Amino acid sequence: GAGVSQTPSNKVTEKGKYVELRCDPISGHTALYWYRQSLGQGPEFLIYFQGTGAADDSGLPNDRFFAVRPEGSVSTLKIQRTERGDSAVYLCASSQQHTGSQYFGPGTRLTVL
Amino acid sequence: GQQVMQIPQYQHVQEGEDFTTYCNSSTTLSNIQWYKQRPGGHPVFLIQLVKSGEVKKQKRLTFQFGEAKKNSSLHITATQTTDVGTYFCAGRSYGGSQGNLIFGKGTKLSVKP
Repeated sequence: GAGVSQTPSNKVTEKGKYVELRCDPISGHTALYWYRQSLGQGPEFLIYFQGTGAADDSGLPNDRFFAVRPEGSVSTLKIQRTERGDSAVYLCASSQQHTGSQYFGPGTRLTVL
Repeated sequence: GQQVMQIPQYQHVQEGEDFTTYCNSSTTLSNIQWYKQRPGGHPVFLIQLVKSGEVKKQKRLTFQFGEAKKNSSLHITATQTTDVGTYFCAGRSYGGSQGNLIFGKGTKLSVKP
């Protein structure tokens, strides 16, 4: 079946703008995760959904970041008033259960000018 | 907070040589996972270790989980050019959110043919 998909693959925006990044998980996976990866670093946990609810959002850096998963499938990561430091690859992953292996999407490369 | 450290950061080997990367956590882990990320790609799940002292093998790859469940290692025997990539360990600690996976910075492996 299809893997995790993310759109767009690349996003270039200006400082101060609002962006939305979309993640479509593997069908049937109840757990969904967002990570941020900077060059030369490992993925940094942002938020984890179990079904429709955010079970752990402790990794969100500040209140400019918000994520939703209204129907328990597709998720959107929203970043307000973007800053240059937000530039990174944003990875989404899903799993059948929250303790299992995670399947990553190709990521969205966000560049804030 | 919990930290996961990996060494070495980089490893350059001649094809056919062995390779080992080490992972250490500041806290006791409930389980540890290993991922491989090819250049330009996304992390791909390799294995999960749960039990103290556990050893698992996948062809030329051997994974170990320490007795104290605070460290782990990945050993590759007779490296091939297809082994090129960055290897990440990622751990979950007891008491924290079960969805919160903390990644190390990774070990970047290059293999000279």
